Amino acid sequence: ELKVEQNPLFLSMQEGKNYTIYCNYSTTSDRLYWYRQDPGKSLESLFVLLSNGAVKQEGRLMASLDTKARLSTLHITAAVHDLSATYFCAVEFGNEKLTFGTGTRLTIIP
Amino acid sequence: NAGVTQTPKFRVLKTGQSMTLLCAQDMNHEYMYWYRQDPGMGLRLIHYSVGEGTTAKGEVPDGYNVSRLKKQNFLLGLESAAPSQTSVYFCASSYPTTEYEQYFGPGTRLTVT
Repeated sequence: ELKVEQNPLFLSMQEGKNYTIYCNYSTTSDRLYWYRQDPGKSLESLFVLLSNGAVKQEGRLMASLDTKARLSTLHITAAVHDLSATYFCAVEFGNEKLTFGTGTRLTIIP
Repeated sequence: NAGVTQTPKFRVLKTGQSMTLLCAQDMNHEYMYWYRQDPGMGLRLIHYSVGEGTTAKGEVPDGYNVSRLKKQNFLLGLESAAPSQTSVYFCASSYPTTEYEQYFGPGTRLTVT
């Protein structure tokens, strides 16, 4: 079964702190995606990770992929309020389709 | 360049009514997808298309039909709406490059009473 699990599901953190969101998936894949969704809005692409050891950074967000462990992480550095959103990882299992995790709702507290 | 657009943005249906959701993209993408998003469940794939005239079932296809008569349009139909189809529906499109990134439309919020 193709499964994508994220944890935590909810995360409340203070501004200025660091934290990591984890994305585990069930079978081999070489394509993993991170999306951001603001309340009532559509999904915005953040990162596309295509190979083992891939690391991408944009501002305070950094994503990495370990295909051997079937694990991706989204690391937040020195969080600011603007990063409050729901973050989804999605995996392409070689079948031209994406399987999404259930999302991590991130709230940054001043 | 409008990207991916969806019509309508909101709709309320009574049980048993039918409707069609329209997705249009102007990026010349080959692949198009329909998802539904329910609270706490992420996005689930309903149907998808890998080219004009082709469609295939996704994870939750029951109660929906689709058509892709033109490359730029992907229609999602509900023949007899049920309250369980209350959801937010997103359309996405992509091009089969190495990155295979999907671009999402703004969504349609559907309520079935």
